[in-house]
Amino acid sequence: KAGVTQTPRYLIKTRGQQVTLSCSPISGHRSVSWYQQTPGQGLQFLFEYFSETQRNKGNFPGRFSGRQFSNSRSEMNVSTLELGDSALYLCASSRKTGNLNTDTQYFGPGTRLTVL
Amino acid sequence: QQQVKQSPQSLIVQKGGISIINCAYENTAFDYFPWYQQFPGKGPALLIAIRPDVSEKKEGRFTISFNKSAKQFSLHIMDSQPGDSATYFCAATVSGGYQKVTFGIGTKLQVIP
Repeated sequence: KAGVTQTPRYLIKTRGQQVTLSCSPISGHRSVSWYQQTPGQGLQFLFEYFSETQRNKGNFPGRFSGRQFSNSRSEMNVSTLELGDSALYLCASSRKTGNLNTDTQYFGPGTRLTVL
Repeated sequence: QQQVKQSPQSLIVQKGGISIINCAYENTAFDYFPWYQQFPGKGPALLIAIRPDVSEKKEGRFTISFNKSAKQFSLHIMDSQPGDSATYFCAATVSGGYQKVTFGIGTKLQVIP
């Protein structure tokens, strides 16, 4: 069974640009969550999508947005990039049976974004 | 605001020793506490998880201890091996509904031969 895949694995952008990251969950998983990982802040929750609807959102500015498609694949977009957006962006999928958060989250390898 | 405080941020242990990582939380609504292990270049992977109705859970060399009254929980790695060298994250969430998972800042563990 294929794991969570994220593309691209590495990105270099300049300030002011926008970027779109993609996540393909494990087959059968309907929930996709996104996290930002930085050395100083650890893993910070961005948002969770389930059945194409955003179910929860972390404390990030509106420049961070996402969506989920009918096949559960998800994208996140960051507009007007800032230097502080440089981070590893991780997505995680889970079955989310019965809307329980105890279903195991499986993480992808992440997309390393560098903003110059 | 760090709702899950994790310490230490780095830890060096000799092979065969015990690695101990501590976490404390503030939100009494949390009722599910997973631990994740992350190797360089990989995403975190679930290691072990506990609910507050038990005080200890053991899986192989990994044990979680939970103190509900103190709102603290810890990971013990017995007989630590160089292959355990990784970053460990504690986390907490509310088990029902669409509640976010809150992670600790992480502990970088190095097990030296």
